[in-house]
Amino acid sequence: SQTIHQWPATLVQPVGSPLSLECTVEGTSNPNLYWYRQAAGRGLQLLFYSVGIGQISSEVPQNLSASRPQDRQFILSSKKLLLSDSGFYLCAWFRDRAINYGYTFGSGTRLTVV
Amino acid sequence: SQQGEEDPQALSIQEGENATMNCSYKTSINNLQWYRQNSGRGLVHLILIRSNEREKHSGRLRVTLDTSKKSSSLLITASRAADTASYFCATVGNYGQNFVFGPGTRLSVLP
Repeated sequence: SQTIHQWPATLVQPVGSPLSLECTVEGTSNPNLYWYRQAAGRGLQLLFYSVGIGQISSEVPQNLSASRPQDRQFILSSKKLLLSDSGFYLCAWFRDRAINYGYTFGSGTRLTVV
Repeated sequence: SQQGEEDPQALSIQEGENATMNCSYKTSINNLQWYRQNSGRGLVHLILIRSNEREKHSGRLRVTLDTSKKSSSLLITASRAADTASYFCATVGNYGQNFVFGPGTRLSVLP
């Protein structure tokens, strides 16, 4: 079966520090991978998506970047965190080109920038 | 934008009552999906309804879709305290594969 792992679960970082969040998927190949951010009590904002190794699309300009060094690994990074980067970050995947299936989400990372 | 917009933003009911949440969107879709999120957790896919379907059931969940009104509803029957969560609708268009989520409805089921 397919599973998705996301870590760490919580993170407190000072302003100006770097960030690296990792997401890995098991049990599938060539998944579409996504990073979402959710502000407190709000909906999800799509940050990045990837349809393959090295292929990253950005939905909104921001202080963050994403990379996909391996087929089932998706990394969200920042060189210098801002206070506004605080939020709940979710990684998700779904089957390639099968838009009649739902997303599978990771358990999320709560990032607090102080 | 084909963003889904749920209403109400928050809903509080007694255990055993039915809960109805609505979702509206703006452009044509391939399918619409409902997700549930417990506080501080990831989202869990509940049900998917395709654009050529009008109603779908899954356990205590009933989803309807009215493409002429560009709206969908999620009905949870005989609610339980464990149903307390936020519920999101997400749409995907005919030519895109990125789901667009609404802001969600926060459901509180009181024991």
